[in-house]
Amino acid sequence: QSMLTQPPSVSAAPGQKVTISCSGSSSNIGNNYVSWYQQVPGTAPKFLIYENNKRPSGIPDRFSGSKSGTSATLGITGLQTGDEADYYCGTWDSSLSVVVFGGGTKLTVL
Amino acid sequence: QVHLVESGGGVVQPGRSLRLSCAASGFTFSDYNMHWVRQAPGKGLEWVAFISYGSRDIYYADSAKGRFSISRDNSKNTVYLQMNSLRPEDTAVYYCARGILRTPGDWGQGALVTVSS
Repeated sequence: QSMLTQPPSVSAAPGQKVTISCSGSSSNIGNNYVSWYQQVPGTAPKFLIYENNKRPSGIPDRFSGSKSGTSATLGITGLQTGDEADYYCGTWDSSLSVVVFGGGTKLTVL
Repeated sequence: QVHLVESGGGVVQPGRSLRLSCAASGFTFSDYNMHWVRQAPGKGLEWVAFISYGSRDIYYADSAKGRFSISRDNSKNTVYLQMNSLRPEDTAVYYCARGILRTPGDWGQGALVTVSS
């Protein structure tokens, strides 16, 4: 199945802001909600964002999501060393009737 | 609090079968869609299968079609993944996840499946 496109890696200093992009098409991001997940290596993914910009309970407002057309963006402000992880976007693809994920973005907090 | 616990993983020979279970608690299981997602060693997330809350809608990734079968028992708050004709490339950690609309939401801790002779 098709995947969404994410940058392989991003980095920023503690306290700074970083954004992670996720690009798709009209059949997936363009017409469906986007979710975001955080995965520290060796652990299960953690639910970060749903319906493009909503946070599950317990997720701090340092994490935000947005969507425009066929792209979505995850923003993280006030970076902490504990934010170092892999981040994935995901959504439903209406044409293929499957869930599609991005390839993941490794965040390094320098 | 949402709690999902996978079980049934292990080492299996190519061509054999395995059934994974995912026990849910902390929410009204029969109200939610469920997913199985896997992650091969050192790789990204790969969606495997979806089942709607009432089992009416079921979808599979191409890699799972014809070999894997997802099902659920709402009386037992459990979702299953029956995996047949297993291949070495099916080696992965398998996660169940509660659905938020049609995408995964909360995840279990995962079950490791190793397909090897």
